[in-house]
Amino acid sequence: AQSVAQPEDQVNVAEGNPLTVKCTYSVSGNPYLFWYVQYPNRGLQFLLKYITGDNLVKGSYGFEAEFNKSQTSFHLKKPSALVSDSALYFCAVRALTGANNLFFGTGTRLTVIP
Amino acid sequence: EAGVTQFPSHSVIEKGQTVTLRCDPISGHDNLYWYRRVMGKEIKFLLHFVKESKQDESGMPNNRFLAERTGGTYSTLKVQPAELEDSGVYFCASSQGRGSGGNTIYFGEGSWLTVV
Repeated sequence: AQSVAQPEDQVNVAEGNPLTVKCTYSVSGNPYLFWYVQYPNRGLQFLLKYITGDNLVKGSYGFEAEFNKSQTSFHLKKPSALVSDSALYFCAVRALTGANNLFFGTGTRLTVIP
Repeated sequence: EAGVTQFPSHSVIEKGQTVTLRCDPISGHDNLYWYRRVMGKEIKFLLHFVKESKQDESGMPNNRFLAERTGGTYSTLKVQPAELEDSGVYFCASSQGRGSGGNTIYFGEGSWLTVV
């Protein structure tokens, strides 16, 4: 069975500081991993994905994520947080074989404090 | 290029009524998905169309939910009769290609359903 865990419901960070939003996954075989962001009263917006290759993936708005196979993690990071980064972040996984749909975590609310 | 569009954006209905949600995928995307997020919970898969065919409907909660994708273009999701626990955000999404799990799935703005 596939699943995603986002252990933190809420992350607070000061503007200008680095941020990390954690994600661990469980899947049979190799995973495809995704991060989406939901701004207030908006839909899900794609940030980045890991398919294969370099473990460090760069995405939109200066975000990046590092795939760690041994720790089954795919943490989202940004070197310097902006107030406008405040939103709900979802990690998702899809297996290479089998079901083609995404399995999501419960989401982490990021608040960047001015 | 237009993204995934959903209608209505918000809907408030009474228990027992019927609601139909519509989704227009990105042009040329064969794959169309419906997902749902109930307040505070994870986003859950409902079903997946490839063109007009239902590829996977394992996430549909019960037979009060009916999804169609006539002609392989837009899709509708009907809830009849609606219950209180159906309240939540219904996301539609689409992606290119068949069987390629690495393709990005693009989501719409969601249809926010409140059943009172």
